[in-house]
Amino acid sequence: DQQVKQNSPSLSVQEGRISILNCDYTNSMFDYFLWYKKYPAEGPTFLISISSIKDKNEDGRFTVFLNKSAKHLSLHIVPSQPGDSAVYFCAASLNQGGKLIFGQGTELSVKP
Amino acid sequence: NAGVTQTPKFRILKIGQSMTLQCTQDMNHNYMYWYRQDPGMGLKLIYYSVGAGITDKGEVPNGYNVSRSTTEDFPLRLELAAPSQTSVYFCASSYFLAANNEQFFGPGTRLTVL
Repeated sequence: DQQVKQNSPSLSVQEGRISILNCDYTNSMFDYFLWYKKYPAEGPTFLISISSIKDKNEDGRFTVFLNKSAKHLSLHIVPSQPGDSAVYFCAASLNQGGKLIFGQGTELSVKP
Repeated sequence: NAGVTQTPKFRILKIGQSMTLQCTQDMNHNYMYWYRQDPGMGLKLIYYSVGAGITDKGEVPNGYNVSRSTTEDFPLRLELAAPSQTSVYFCASSYFLAANNEQFFGPGTRLTVL
């Protein structure tokens, strides 16, 4: 049973435009949601997170939105840059210091 | 500060062979994790540890063993390698008081079992 799902395996966006990556989850007890970015042949790196008590968190060009009633979160990248091309993983945790449950990932390609 | 380091970067094993994937972190993190990533899939948790001497199973532990004798090291052991264990393995660590449970990942070990 996939508790965290990213239904779009890939996304292509023009440089300067907005990239929107989506993630759905099934467990309403998740307390934190995180986005990781992964380049080929490297480990994932933390990008941004959001607590379940918030509905928005912003860090520079990256904003994460959480809709608890829909069990849905999204990552917005504005403006998109070619260096943003990577695989993006959504992850959720159940408690502080707890395990992360990852989605399948979405490969973002930002074209110049 | 090297973060999380993993060795080796690549390895090819024959069916039935055994090996240990090494993981070391220098951030004094209590929590450490082993994940595997299969092509087109997310990361799945194999084993984790909340401190030296304490380990527990994750989602996909079969065929693997771990130990945690020090805070810094968390090796993963494959006893009888099988083709189904062909994957990329990532080690991660986190600070137990991190509210968002941000985990820091190593660069990965690509393992092929033939």
